[in-house]
Amino acid sequence: GAVVSQHPSRVICKSGTSVKIECRSLDFQATTMFWYRQFPKKSLMLMATSNEGSKATYEQGVEKDKFLINHASLTLSTLTVTSAHPEDSSFYICSASLPVAKNIQYFGAGTRLSVL
Amino acid sequence: TQLLEQSPQFLSIQEGENLTVYCNSSSVFSSLQWYRQEPGEGPVLLVTVVTGGEVKKLKRLTFQFGDARKDSSLHITAAQPGDTGLYLCAGDSGTYKYIFGTGTRLKVLA
Repeated sequence: GAVVSQHPSRVICKSGTSVKIECRSLDFQATTMFWYRQFPKKSLMLMATSNEGSKATYEQGVEKDKFLINHASLTLSTLTVTSAHPEDSSFYICSASLPVAKNIQYFGAGTRLSVL
Repeated sequence: TQLLEQSPQFLSIQEGENLTVYCNSSSVFSSLQWYRQEPGEGPVLLVTVVTGGEVKKLKRLTFQFGDARKDSSLHITAAQPGDTGLYLCAGDSGTYKYIFGTGTRLKVLA
């Protein structure tokens, strides 16, 4: 099946710094990617829909200036957590869908962000 | 706001027992998916159900989509320790944007 690679798998940063997380579709082109946030022992919360070549669509309550999303190519979307604070610590997961099968999402392995 | 409530939230059972996990909403979904997630990893798709009343089987797992497409269930027969994980349902209202359920954490004891 299709593979989605997420990098890094784990990152620890100081408060006030910015962190970039990459999501790549390795063997297919993804016009749409999704970014989720997951708190410990909780479900996934959709943050935004990343559209190749256009602005991301953010869910209600998600700060677009805080969580910058760039989908510059058909195989890469990035999420940048700007001026990170301890409350941004979380598990961030991306997914991508095949243009010919939009109802099937392939998930990355996630990135655990810890802000000190 | 569309919500998907899963029950139970937690379930700890002995190997060999059967169990059912429920996923309920007041909203209608064009399709619904079930995932299993291991700690520190992304969710893995188990099944997609599309038609109201649809039943799908995947080895010891049986998935059912409610007639009104508002609810779904996952039944596991003769659970094994390898079934341990977080089970998530996710509904699509027709825009290919999935809303995830609250999750059911299953632990199967050997």
